[in-house]
Amino acid sequence: SAVISQKPSRDICQRGTSLTIQCQVDSQVTMMFWYRQQPGQSLTLIATANQGSEATYESGFVIDKFPISRPNLTFSTLTVSNMSPEDSSIYLCSAIGADFSRELFFGEGSRLTVL
Amino acid sequence: KQEVTQIPAALSVPEGENLVLNCSFTDSAIYNLQWFRQDPGKGLTSLLLIQSSQREQTSGRLNASLDKSSGRSTLYIAASQPGDSATYLCASQGNMLTFGGGTRLMVKP
Repeated sequence: SAVISQKPSRDICQRGTSLTIQCQVDSQVTMMFWYRQQPGQSLTLIATANQGSEATYESGFVIDKFPISRPNLTFSTLTVSNMSPEDSSIYLCSAIGADFSRELFFGEGSRLTVL
Repeated sequence: KQEVTQIPAALSVPEGENLVLNCSFTDSAIYNLQWFRQDPGKGLTSLLLIQSSQREQTSGRLNASLDKSSGRSTLYIAASQPGDSATYLCASQGNMLTFGGGTRLMVKP
């Protein structure tokens, strides 16, 4: 199984600033994703992180607000730009393992509070 | 478009009870179905993964079943404990990943 490390685990940020979340996987994976989970809600897919190319964003999410990088197979970053209180959420990195099972793994999440 | 529904949305049971969480999906063309546990403010922990060719998977007190023809999966928890209190999510993987809304479980001592 894959172990996904995310950092920071939590942060308190000021309105208008940007924060970058890092995600590192300890083994080979195929696809990597970024999710947002607002308080009391289920997960919402932000984008699929593509290695060496632009991420694929879901409806309602744009690159200017959530730039994503994936320079190699096991590392990705998500930046939340020009934050507002509405961006206060848990941001989760996930990945599908490279074996035949296609099991989905998650990081511990990054809890952002924007004041 | 795949839709995944979990019933009930919330459940409260006394310690020791056996319980069943339900997950239904509209498109049976799935590669696998996975059950997760999420503690408050934390990430998701994978509990059980059932491939489309399988009927069930077991891990300790947990048993998950899959019936593709009826579009249903169940998670059975035996002899529930207060430590089982969490939100349980199912997710189907086909052309895309689709999550259910989750079942929030409270096991009372």
